[in-house]
Amino acid sequence: GDSVTQMEGPVTLSEEAFLTINCTYTATGYPSLFWYVQYPGEGLQLLLKATKADDKGSNKGFEATYRKETTSFHLEKGSVQVSDSAVYFCALSDQDDKLIFGTGTRLQVFP
Amino acid sequence: GAGVSQSPSNKVTEKGKDVELRCDPISGHTALYWYRQSLGQGLEFLIYFQGNSAPDKSGLPSDRFSAERTGGSVSTLTIQRTQQEDSAVYLCASSPGQNTGELFFGEGSRLTVL
Repeated sequence: GDSVTQMEGPVTLSEEAFLTINCTYTATGYPSLFWYVQYPGEGLQLLLKATKADDKGSNKGFEATYRKETTSFHLEKGSVQVSDSAVYFCALSDQDDKLIFGTGTRLQVFP
Repeated sequence: GAGVSQSPSNKVTEKGKDVELRCDPISGHTALYWYRQSLGQGLEFLIYFQGNSAPDKSGLPSDRFSAERTGGSVSTLTIQRTQQEDSAVYLCASSPGQNTGELFFGEGSRLTVL
């Protein structure tokens, strides 16, 4: 079945460092891909998405490009802030709105 | 409120007891989901309601778990004869049901089974 694999955390960075969180997927069709974020004490919320190959999703300085050839959707940010500390979830949707999530990656940013 | 509301926010129960968790979705959202978030396990899909269609129950881990959605709005997740491995945060989400992939999550119900 469909699945999502993302790098284990925690990822610990200093403020203004470059961030990459790896995500790869397995799907039988052509899924849409998502990154969700869970800030401390809050519910999950959509960060960005891409619906077809080579699409780039972006929001709040974060970017991810849908790479069909490598079945990947890595999350990147050029300069992280303390306020970016959260748990990040990669997810896919194949045929309907049902999302399959990865295990989540905790990001800790220190000043 | 305007968001997805879940209750209770915290529930401690004894092994073998039944529990009910409630979800109030965003008004007008036709799709409703239950997920389970366990430490180190990510988000595990449990069940999905879409309009008047039969629910997708493919993620329910055992027949002790059931869910219903009354009147296309409020949903209740019931766990019978709780076990310690049921301890987790149970998340509810809703969406407009337009295949956008944008789910709106509640803050979850933390269940602890002693």
